[in-house]
Amino acid sequence: QVQLQESGPGLVRPSETLSLTCTVSGGSLTGHYWSWIRQPPGKRLEWIGHIYYTGSNNYNPSLKSRVTISVDTSKNQFSLRLSSVTAADTALYYCVRVHIGDYFDYWGQGTRVSVSS
Amino acid sequence: EIVLTQSPEILSLSPGERATLSCRASQSVRNFLGWYQRRPGQAPRLLIYDASNRATGIPARFSGSGSGTDFTLTISSLEPEDFAVYYCQQRSSWPLTFGGGTRVEIK
Repeated sequence: QVQLQESGPGLVRPSETLSLTCTVSGGSLTGHYWSWIRQPPGKRLEWIGHIYYTGSNNYNPSLKSRVTISVDTSKNQFSLRLSSVTAADTALYYCVRVHIGDYFDYWGQGTRVSVSS
Repeated sequence: EIVLTQSPEILSLSPGERATLSCRASQSVRNFLGWYQRRPGQAPRLLIYDASNRATGIPARFSGSGSGTDFTLTISSLEPEDFAVYYCQQRSSWPLTFGGGTRVEIK
């Protein structure tokens, strides 16, 4: 059974960079796309971006200028960096495996990130 | 970007009743629509993909239908574990987007 686990700081200062890592167990990164999704309080789920195990990626245009998603196949991990954060980036962040056809079949439990000074 | 509008926001029903949830897209997504369930304290779970295909391990009481802009998720007879929030998601065009959710609560 594939399992995903997010890790990273729960509090980030405004204007700084949010960094999260997702560790995948029970399966390999190889052959799949992997994604980050977030849900701000009271708002809908928002797709942040995808990365293929080879490193090719696709980002939400609304975040593209600030987002980097990277992959480390040797550690079976992928990561999210979101720069210049504001309070609007406060959210529950999920790392997710992409099912065939750009749906999402395995999710981490989510990690709450607050942006505050 | 394609906007998905779910209705109703809250659906109050009793166990054993039939639940009908709606998702409407701001433009055609063909049949490229999925449904997720999120129970309290848990991550979302994929139920339906491409409008009508049940994901692995999903009970037959869950069914999806629709195409173009109007889609329906039907739960034929609600079990206690089905009281949760349901989201739709489109993969027809980038960026991928989600609906705002329908909460199915116990009446």
